[in-house]
Amino acid sequence: EDKVVQSPLSLVVHEGDTVTLNCSYEVTNFRSLLWYKQEKKAPTFLFMLTSSGIEKKSGRLSSILDKKELFSILNITATQTGDSAIYLCAVPGNQFYFGTGTSLTVIP
Amino acid sequence: ETGVTQSPTHLIKTRGQQVTLRCSSQSGHNTVSWYQQALGQGPQFIFQYYREEENGRGNFPPRFSGLQFPNYSSELNVNALELDDSALYLCASSFGTFYEQYFGPGTRLTVT
Repeated sequence: EDKVVQSPLSLVVHEGDTVTLNCSYEVTNFRSLLWYKQEKKAPTFLFMLTSSGIEKKSGRLSSILDKKELFSILNITATQTGDSAIYLCAVPGNQFYFGTGTSLTVIP
Repeated sequence: ETGVTQSPTHLIKTRGQQVTLRCSSQSGHNTVSWYQQALGQGPQFIFQYYREEENGRGNFPPRFSGLQFPNYSSELNVNALELDDSALYLCASSFGTFYEQYFGPGTRLTVT
């Protein structure tokens, strides 16, 4: 059965900390892996990864994919309160599979 | 560039009723996907429409049906509503199937 698993389920950190969010997958017909940030309603797109070992970076956020070990990590450095959100990992296969998400809370 | 829009924002229905949710895709996008997101869960794929044809369906019963129009906007219809259908319904559009999707703000459906 195809699945996407994220860990940890929730995380509470202080401003300035660095966090690493994990996403592992078992999906037939893997095409890519996507990360989204969901604050209130609509998930907003962060990254799409298709190749192993190539880091994608946007400001304090970065992500990398390992297609051999079937996982991806999302790093957030120097966290801010505005980073508080649910971070979702999604993998298109025969359908679009989402993980349950990691709920990140950044305390001032 | 116009983003993805959904209507209505909130909806309250009674068990057994029928509901139609609407989605306008982002300008230039030809694919619309619908998701159900229960509290504390990730979005669950309902189905996808590509150029007016259903192009993939998740594990949802036939009372969940959809439509895509020539302008690529879309509708999600749910018949015989059940209490468990209460959720946030998200629509996402993309150019092509299974590429980066852009989400609308969602419709919060409550079934009583």
